[in-house]
Amino acid sequence: GAVVSQHPSRVICKSGTSVKIECRSLDFQATTMFWYRQFPKKSLMLMATSNEGSKATYEQGVEKDKFLINHASLTLSTLTVTSAHPEDSSFYICSAPQGEYEKLFFGSGTQLSVL
Amino acid sequence: GQNIDQPTEMTATEGAIVQINCTYQTSGFNGLFWYQQHAGEAPTFLSYNVLDGLEEKGRFSSFLSRSKGYSYLLLKELQMKDSASYLCAVNIWKGGGNKLTFGTGTQLKVEL
Repeated sequence: GAVVSQHPSRVICKSGTSVKIECRSLDFQATTMFWYRQFPKKSLMLMATSNEGSKATYEQGVEKDKFLINHASLTLSTLTVTSAHPEDSSFYICSAPQGEYEKLFFGSGTQLSVL
Repeated sequence: GQNIDQPTEMTATEGAIVQINCTYQTSGFNGLFWYQQHAGEAPTFLSYNVLDGLEEKGRFSSFLSRSKGYSYLLLKELQMKDSASYLCAVNIWKGGGNKLTFGTGTQLKVEL
């Protein structure tokens, strides 16, 4: 199946710093990628849809200035958590649709801990 | 809005059969996925239904009734490694594109 690579897998940072998370489709092109957030023992909440060549589409309640998304190429989307605070601590996971049914292939996720 | 419900937790015995239900109320329905997720890992695809009926794939089967807004995932011959979270996700057609919305997830524990 298709492979989606996500880095870093774990980040610990101080409050007020910015953190960039990269999501790459390794063996296919992705004009669209999705960014999800997951709290412990909870389901995935869609944050935004990343679109190559145009602005990201954010879900209701997600601050676009807080969570900057850039879809720089057909294989790379980045999520930058700006001025991170402890409440931003969470598991962030990206995905891209591919193949039959356009099922989502997920990156391995990034565990962000803000101190 | 969308509403997707699953039981929070289930426990079953190794070798048994377990059925995980999912009910949904959405507009723009365009298929239903089941994913498996082990703790700290990415979800992996299990099954997809877009038409009514049963889809069988090895030990896993998934059923869909669009008129009832209902799906289930059936796991047979349970193994310890099946202990995981099972996510029901509805594909919604909106604004020119598909968007996958996940249910609350069901944490399955398989015991000896």
